[in-house]
Amino acid sequence: GAVVSQHPSWVICKSGTSVKIECRSLDFQATTMFWYRQFPKQSLMLMATSNEGSKATYEQGVEKDKFLINHASLTLSTLTVTSAHPEDSSFYICSARDTGTGAGEQYFGPGTRLTVT
Amino acid sequence: QKEVEQNSGPLSVPEGAIASLNCTYSDRVSQSFFWYRQYSGKSPELIMSIYSNGDKEDGRFTAQLNKASQYVSLLIRDSQPSDSATYLCAVNRLNNFNKFYFGSGTKLNVKP
Repeated sequence: GAVVSQHPSWVICKSGTSVKIECRSLDFQATTMFWYRQFPKQSLMLMATSNEGSKATYEQGVEKDKFLINHASLTLSTLTVTSAHPEDSSFYICSARDTGTGAGEQYFGPGTRLTVT
Repeated sequence: QKEVEQNSGPLSVPEGAIASLNCTYSDRVSQSFFWYRQYSGKSPELIMSIYSNGDKEDGRFTAQLNKASQYVSLLIRDSQPSDSATYLCAVNRLNNFNKFYFGSGTKLNVKP
């Protein structure tokens, strides 16, 4: 199956600093990637849809100036959490859509656990 | 009405039994359907995709799609304790290729 990697797998940062998370599709090209956030014992929450070479589409209630998304190539999307606060502590998961397959399956990265102190 | 509905569970089955997970969706133009497994603290993992009516089998897993009744199910045969996880159903529509609708998941417990 298609493989999506994320880096880092976990990060601890101080309040007010910025954190960048990378998402890569390793064996396929992904024109579309997605960023999710998941709090403990809660459902996945889609934050934004990232399209290569264009601006990301953010879900309602997600601050685009706080969560900066860049999809500069067909295999890499980045999420930068700017001026992080403790309430941003969460499990951030990216996914990439493999449009080369019949159903356009979405494959998830392993996730990044962010803790803001 | 939610786009995709799943019983939150937990669904408890004994080891070796068949686990049946169900999902209903609201929009008839839905085209592609996916089952994901998510272990606690981990990201979702794709199990199967299906987009034609009927059954699709892969090992111990069988996905069943009934577009007329707007439901999709996942059967797990010979359930193992390692199958204990939350199972997410996702739906993709013909008119919005990059929009996935996820259910809230069904928690499955397989008891040894």
